[in-house]
Amino acid sequence: AQKITQTQPGMFVQEKEAVTLDCTYDTSDPSYGLFWYKQPSSGEMIFLIYQGSYDQQNATEGRYSLNFQKARKSANLVISASQLGDSAMYFCAMREPSNSGYALNFGKGTSLLVTP
Amino acid sequence: EAQVTQNPRYLITVTGKKLTVTCSQNMNHEYMSWYRQDPGLGLRQIYYSMNVEVTDKGDVPEGYKVSRKEKRNFPLILESPSPNQTSLYFCASTKDRGSYNEQFFGPGTRLTVL
Repeated sequence: AQKITQTQPGMFVQEKEAVTLDCTYDTSDPSYGLFWYKQPSSGEMIFLIYQGSYDQQNATEGRYSLNFQKARKSANLVISASQLGDSAMYFCAMREPSNSGYALNFGKGTSLLVTP
Repeated sequence: EAQVTQNPRYLITVTGKKLTVTCSQNMNHEYMSWYRQDPGLGLRQIYYSMNVEVTDKGDVPEGYKVSRKEKRNFPLILESPSPNQTSLYFCASTKDRGSYNEQFFGPGTRLTVL
């Protein structure tokens, strides 16, 4: 079963506007971590933000914030004031203790295009 | 500078010719893993290692081998590559088992098997 679901294959946003990238997850473990990574066209994976399952507050890192709704099992990434350089693939991932050794499960990604 | 390095970055090879992709990290991380990334499938874990001499299969291990003789190195070995192993490969390392720890990714190796 898919553990991380990103329902938006592609998104467009105008420069300087905010955008929300959706992510839902599936786990029965009370302890887990949620991550967002950015992958520009050059291919590298860039860590953006982390949210722990026991964290009381939503994580923020500069223009990135994570809208964590635990009961709904949702961890949406919000990018404020989009910039042209934000155009990239974005992956949501979850890390949970498991027999397979703390694997990082990735969603299939959302392609974001920021237009002038 | 803390980093994960992979070599080579690009490789074109032929079916059946054994190859090794090296991975090294300088952060003294315990946990290392290999992923492959294919269009529409996201990243899938191939193998992982929780420490020296401790390795185990991920979700898609068929056709791959790994070893962890030293903490810093985690090579990926394709004994007999096939075209369906054409992919973008990432090595990653994490400090330890804590679920809050970020995974640091290498720059990726783009492999084409003809």
